[in-house]
Amino acid sequence: GAGVSQSPSNKVTEKGKDVELRCDPISGHTALYWYRQSLGQGLEFLIYFQGNSAPDKSGLPSDRFSAERTGGSVSTLTIQRTQQEDSAVYLCASSPRVGEETQYFGPGTRLLVL
Amino acid sequence: GENVEQHPSTLSVQEGDSAVIKCTYSDSASNYFPWYKQELGKRPQLIIDIRSNVGEKKDQRIAVTLNKTAKHFSLHITETQPEDSAVYFCAASIPEYGNKLVFGAGTILRVKS
Repeated sequence: GAGVSQSPSNKVTEKGKDVELRCDPISGHTALYWYRQSLGQGLEFLIYFQGNSAPDKSGLPSDRFSAERTGGSVSTLTIQRTQQEDSAVYLCASSPRVGEETQYFGPGTRLLVL
Repeated sequence: GENVEQHPSTLSVQEGDSAVIKCTYSDSASNYFPWYKQELGKRPQLIIDIRSNVGEKKDQRIAVTLNKTAKHFSLHITETQPEDSAVYFCAASIPEYGNKLVFGAGTILRVKS
């Protein structure tokens, strides 16, 4: 079946612009996670959703970052007033439910802020 | 909070030799430990995982061991092949935070033929 998909695959933007990144989880998966991977680095947790609610937003780097999930499926991660340090690969993962630990990753969105 | 340390950061082995990557974690509540393989420009792929109620798990040439008392776990790859070359990440899940994963910094494995 279809895996986790993300769009766009690449995004180049100018400093100060807003960007929206989209994640489509595996159908039926209720848990959704966002991570960030800077060049040559490990993965850094940003936020997770159980259904449409986000119990843990502790990983969001600043108030310029926000995320939402509607209908228990698609999630969008929004970065306002982008900065050069926001350049990274943004990865989304889903699992059947919180408590089912295995997470399946999407291909990521490569964001470059000029 | 949880902290995961991973060593070595780079590992170079001859084809056919074994490779071992080690990770330690700090949160005793962690109960799930996956290993991901990431090839250049691609998504992380789960290659093996272990839960805290077992000490060892094997899948063909790949095995993972877990020592809960010492809070460390290791990935073992035997009979390495050039296609094993990639970045490998260990992770530990945090049950009280929706099983979010805390990742190690990664190990670049290079298998020389």
